[in-house]
Amino acid sequence: QKEVEQDPGPLSVPEGAIVSLNCTYSNSAFQYFMWYRQYSRKGPELLMYTYSSGNKEDGRFTAQVDKSSKYISLFIRDSQPSDSATYLCAMSDSPGGGNKLTFGTGTQLKVEL
Amino acid sequence: DAGITQSPRHKVTETGTPVTLRCHQTENHRYMYWYRQDPGHGLRLIHYSYGVKDTDKGEVSDGYSVSRSKTEDFLLTLESATSSQTSVYFCAISGNPGTGSNYGYTFGSGTRLTVV
Repeated sequence: QKEVEQDPGPLSVPEGAIVSLNCTYSNSAFQYFMWYRQYSRKGPELLMYTYSSGNKEDGRFTAQVDKSSKYISLFIRDSQPSDSATYLCAMSDSPGGGNKLTFGTGTQLKVEL
Repeated sequence: DAGITQSPRHKVTETGTPVTLRCHQTENHRYMYWYRQDPGHGLRLIHYSYGVKDTDKGEVSDGYSVSRSKTEDFLLTLESATSSQTSVYFCAISGNPGTGSNYGYTFGSGTRLTVV
């Protein structure tokens, strides 16, 4: 069993929909959680960073962490075609600067007009 | 991505030949990483560096070596390329602790390597 599980999709939604992307994990030491967005043939870019349990909002994006269930989510409101990308979750047991991240395999999202 | 460049962007090589990929950063970050990305496996850590001449193995280091003689450059060498090393290779950097820039990684644009 992988330390981090993520449904690969693809997930196809109409423009304007609310998107929910999820990851589960098994290592209870993970405390730092990230979401990366990766466009086709590009490197991943950091989208959201959260520490421990709770919610964090940034514009149309909300990251949610439930450590008791070992479950993290990324919500995208009012989805746009430009949101079409692969979304990777990542997590670590220590903050940045030399920490090693464990990544999910990514969920491919397509937002259609 | 600004501050981190990978070269070459694409390479086709023959089985058994050595190959070196280069990662160059202008951010003066201490930590650098090499990952490979494959369908169904996601990003897997090959090697990482925590300073000049200081490197360590990741989870898929067999068949790879690295060198870091300057802060800005981190080289990944496939000693004798095999078809199983056909992949997309990403370099990443992370900031120094306590500087406020240490959240997550910044990735390069990747090198697409095909071993035939």
